[in-house]
Amino acid sequence: EAGVAQSPRYKIIEKRQSVAFWCNPISGHATLYWYQQILGQGPKLLIQFQNNGVVDDSQLPKDRFSAERLKGVDSTLKIQPAKLEDSAVYLCASSLRFGPYGYTFGSGTRLTVV
Amino acid sequence: AQKVTQAQTEISVVEKEDVTLDCVYETRDTTYYLFWYKQPPSGELVFLIRRNSFDEQNEISGRYSWNFQKSTSSFNFTITASQVVDSAVYFCALSEALGNEKLTFGTGTRLTIIP
Repeated sequence: EAGVAQSPRYKIIEKRQSVAFWCNPISGHATLYWYQQILGQGPKLLIQFQNNGVVDDSQLPKDRFSAERLKGVDSTLKIQPAKLEDSAVYLCASSLRFGPYGYTFGSGTRLTVV
Repeated sequence: AQKVTQAQTEISVVEKEDVTLDCVYETRDTTYYLFWYKQPPSGELVFLIRRNSFDEQNEISGRYSWNFQKSTSSFNFTITASQVVDSAVYFCALSEALGNEKLTFGTGTRLTIIP
């Protein structure tokens, strides 16, 4: 089966600019996650969707980050305006709820804010 | 709150040596899942294993083995006869079993295999 697709692979922006990342999960996976991985740290959950509804966004900085999952398939994560500390890899993952193999992660988008 | 601790930040071993990566976790849940992921230089997270908290049997998959000890809240990972391709960052993670399956990751262990 095809994996989780993410784009772009890399992005460099100046602080205060806006940026958007796109994720296409594995077909049939109802649950979609966005994780932020700062260099040298483990990934941290930003938001979880079940179909097109938000399950958990408690760690999403809502003053600047937003995410949507229209029609319960693709998802977009946006940052506006970006700060230097947003430099990180943004990982999208999907799972088949109660599936035996855990998540499948995409390759991530590496964001550098200068 | 859930917490995963990987005390080893970096490990280097010579090829063909065995190496064990430590993972200690904290949770109030009685049912949970433990995971190991590999992150090679290319950046993607590769799933290695998922273990249910009710299953304390050790598991072996080729050169990889996992030791789950509920009494010490540890889920250690051993690579036997290490190879250069094993060089990567390895993450241990924990999730609720009956909740939203959010993963709580440790800070990772960078493993370098020296040829």
